Amino acid sequence: DVKVTQSSRYLVKRTGEKVFLECVQDMDHENMFWYRQDPGLGLRLIYFSYDVKMKEKGDIPEGYSVSREKKERFSLILESASTNQTSMYLCASSPPPGTQGGTDTQYFGPGTRLTVL
Amino acid sequence: QKEVEQDPGPLSVPEGAIVSLNCTYSNSAFQYFMWYRQYSRKGPELLMYTYSSGNKEDGRFTAQVDKSSKYISLFIRDSQPSDSATYLCAMSVNYGNKLVFGAGTILRVKS
Repeated sequence: DVKVTQSSRYLVKRTGEKVFLECVQDMDHENMFWYRQDPGLGLRLIYFSYDVKMKEKGDIPEGYSVSREKKERFSLILESASTNQTSMYLCASSPPPGTQGGTDTQYFGPGTRLTVL
Repeated sequence: QKEVEQDPGPLSVPEGAIVSLNCTYSNSAFQYFMWYRQYSRKGPELLMYTYSSGNKEDGRFTAQVDKSSKYISLFIRDSQPSDSATYLCAMSVNYGNKLVFGAGTILRVKS
């Protein structure tokens, strides 16, 4: 079974703090993604990575950065947390095309609920 | 206008009912369509996957895609309380490309 783990289930931080959210997958997947999920807005893509040291901006990258030094680990960084970054953060991974029998499956972690006060 | 529209619900049905969940979209280039199920305080998990138009059935679940109408559906037969969850539709243009999600529909099945 694919397992995607996230470092914390719940996190409370203060405005202006630097926040690190860690994600680790154990299936040797090339692709990794960070989303935030807000009521009424669904999942919105923040950043994604197709390989080690590679990163691409998603739809809402402002205020965030990422790091992928190892294939299994993808970190989301909030340089200076703000209250509008209070949200559920979901990490996902997927194999490259053609390795999943045609399924473009993304496997999700359990999420980190971040509150910024 | 959002690229993918999905009624957030909540949709409340009695046990045993047939449930219909729907999404509409505006980008005619979408070719890959998925339904994810998300239980409370968990990450989404893939439920159904279809490519292009047509139907796909898996047990009590049937996914339909009508590209001419830009409309996708998920049907759940003989719904169970354990089906209570948020259902998210997702779609992508190219194989392996990033997914665009709907907002999710909250489903409650009452016993």
